[in-house]
Amino acid sequence: QKEVEQDPGPLSVPEGAIVSLNCTYSNSAFQYFMWYRQYSRKGPELLMYTYSSGNKEDGRFTAQVDKSSKYISLFIRDSQPSDSATYLCAMSARNTGFQKLVFGTGTRLLVSP
Amino acid sequence: SAVISQKPSRDICQRGTSLTIQCQVDSQVTMMFWYRQQPGQSLTLIATANQGSEATYESGFVIDKFPISRPNLTFSTLTVSNMSPEDSSIYLCSVDSGVRTDTQYFGPGTRLTVL
Repeated sequence: QKEVEQDPGPLSVPEGAIVSLNCTYSNSAFQYFMWYRQYSRKGPELLMYTYSSGNKEDGRFTAQVDKSSKYISLFIRDSQPSDSATYLCAMSARNTGFQKLVFGTGTRLLVSP
Repeated sequence: SAVISQKPSRDICQRGTSLTIQCQVDSQVTMMFWYRQQPGQSLTLIATANQGSEATYESGFVIDKFPISRPNLTFSTLTVSNMSPEDSSIYLCSVDSGVRTDTQYFGPGTRLTVL
């Protein structure tokens, strides 16, 4: 079993839709959770960073962490064609010293105009 | 966030040859990382490179195959040695954010095809 599971998609939605992207994980030591966005032929770009459980909002993006269920989500409101990209979740165990990031495989999102 | 560049952006190489990938950052950073991204797979950490010390390799990666240099706080190279078609992948360098050691910024990647 992989440490981090993520549906590869593709997930196709019309412009304006609310998008829900999800990851599950098995390591209960993970405390720090990130979402990266990767456009085709580009490097991953840090989108959201969350510590422990709860919600974090940034514009049209909301990150949710449910540690009891080992489940994290990224919601995109009013999705735009420019949101079409691959979204990678990543997580790590602690913030003292270097802790390796563990990535999901990424979900490809397609937003059609 | 740091601005990271990589050279080359892509290359096509013959089996048995070696390729050195360069990673340049616009500010001094403590830690630099090298990843491999293969289709349908998650980013896999190859090694961590700190200035002034030998790179630390992850399980499954060895120095003879992926030698790394880190001569200063803004530059690193990764060499893919004695390449085979299985080495065809995207290679990414990243740096720590300097604020939180678990947050990283990535370069644009080098797309390598081995024939």
